[in-house]
Amino acid sequence: RKEVEQDPGPFNVPEGATVAFNCTYSNSASQSFFWYRQDCRKEPKLLMSVYSSGNEDGRFTAQLNRASQYISLLIRDSKLSDSATYLCVVNANPFSSYKLIFGSGTRLLVRP
Amino acid sequence: NAGVTQTPKFRILKIGQSMTLQCAQDMNHNYMYWYRQDPGMGLKLIYYSVGAGITDKGEVPNGYNVSRSTTEDFPLRLELAAPSQTSVYFCATHKEQASYEQYFGPGTRLTVT
Repeated sequence: RKEVEQDPGPFNVPEGATVAFNCTYSNSASQSFFWYRQDCRKEPKLLMSVYSSGNEDGRFTAQLNRASQYISLLIRDSKLSDSATYLCVVNANPFSSYKLIFGSGTRLLVRP
Repeated sequence: NAGVTQTPKFRILKIGQSMTLQCAQDMNHNYMYWYRQDPGMGLKLIYYSVGAGITDKGEVPNGYNVSRSTTEDFPLRLELAAPSQTSVYFCATHKEQASYEQYFGPGTRLTVT
């Protein structure tokens, strides 16, 4: 089983739609979770952290379900500029917090 | 500030050749990383460094070597290039207390034929 699994997509949605991605992780000891965004042929960039209580940043909402070991990202009112690949990222080892495990990403295409 | 810079942007190597991928950061961060990203795959950690003079293996170190003689530079050396090393290579760094926010360089696209 992969350490971090994501549906590769692509999710093809119209502008203004709401779209949600899930990600599952295998290591129950993982403590930190993040979503990164990667534009085509560019480097990844941090989108947001995922907190246990859930957190929101504008049109983006991230949630964590520790019992089921999954993380979600909800995007409301999708914009054309949201088209990208979204990487689910998990801290690999609580004793070496700087090592991150990256999922292979979910591709989002927002059409006019 | 340039952030994290990588050279070259693109390179084609023949099987068995060697090369060094350069990475430099001007943020004075101790932590630096090398990842590779194959098409449709997540980033895999090759090597990392927690400060000048200190390096350690990541998940996929075979076929690579690194050195860290200064805080700024973290070159990645490929010896005897193989087609399996065709990938996009990213260098990254982060602040001491914010390991989750890694700043990546623009990447080096390497093809080995």
